[in-house]
Amino acid sequence: GPKVLQIPSHQIIDMGQMVTLNCDPVSNHLYFYWYKQILGQQMEFLVNFYNGKVMEKSKLFKDQFSVERPDGSYFTLKIQPTALEDSAVYFCASSPTGDEQYFGPGTRLTVL
Amino acid sequence: SQLAEENSWALSVHEGESVTVNCSYKTSITALQWYRQKSGKGPAQLILIRSNEREKRNGRLRATLDTSSQSSSLSITATRCEDTAVYFCATLLQGGRALIFGTGTTVSVSP
Repeated sequence: GPKVLQIPSHQIIDMGQMVTLNCDPVSNHLYFYWYKQILGQQMEFLVNFYNGKVMEKSKLFKDQFSVERPDGSYFTLKIQPTALEDSAVYFCASSPTGDEQYFGPGTRLTVL
Repeated sequence: SQLAEENSWALSVHEGESVTVNCSYKTSITALQWYRQKSGKGPAQLILIRSNEREKRNGRLRATLDTSSQSSSLSITATRCEDTAVYFCATLLQGGRALIFGTGTTVSVSP
C-alpha cells in the first residue's frame, strides 16, 4: 500500500534545542497530519494541514510547534524550543481525501 | 473523558480462534476506523465504516457500527500469530479533520 516515510527514526536532543521532524507523505495526498504518542498511551492528534494551511490544531500543539510543507517537499514539524515533555513518538499521516489516513513509522524523540 | 475508547485492555486467544474488540465513542461521527499497530510501527488502517453503514468486511475482519449506542466492534476470525498487535478504533470528524483514537486493546495470539 501507499507508504509514508519519516526521517529520522530516532532523535535525541537537549532540552531547549530546536528539532525538525520530517515526513515524506504519499505523493498525491492532500491532507497531512501529525500525532503524538507517549509510550504506552494513546495516539493524540496535534495538527492537520491542507492546501498550505493549518486546518485544525489541538491543545497539545503548543506555540513552540510549527508545521510547513515548503514547495511540496517534506511536511515538517518543528519544535523550538523543546521541553522534556515533548519526548514521545511522533507519527505523520497523509490522506488523499481526508478520510483514510496512512501513517508513517514514527520518529522517536528523546529530549534530555 | 475519551471521545473514543476500546472496552478491553487486552485479549488473548489461540491461533484459529476468533476474537472481538469493542469500542465506544461519545461524539457524532462521519466514520469510524479500525487500526492495528504492531510494536515499533505506525498504525495501519484495517477497515473504515461510515456512519450510514452497519457492517463492513475485509477478509478475516468484520466491523460493525451501531450509531444509536455509539459503539463498534471488530471481529477477527481464524486468528494467526501475526494478528498480535494493539487494535485501535478512531473516530473521524467532518472535513478531513482529526482522528480521535481510543487507548487500544492489545490482542495476543499464541500458537
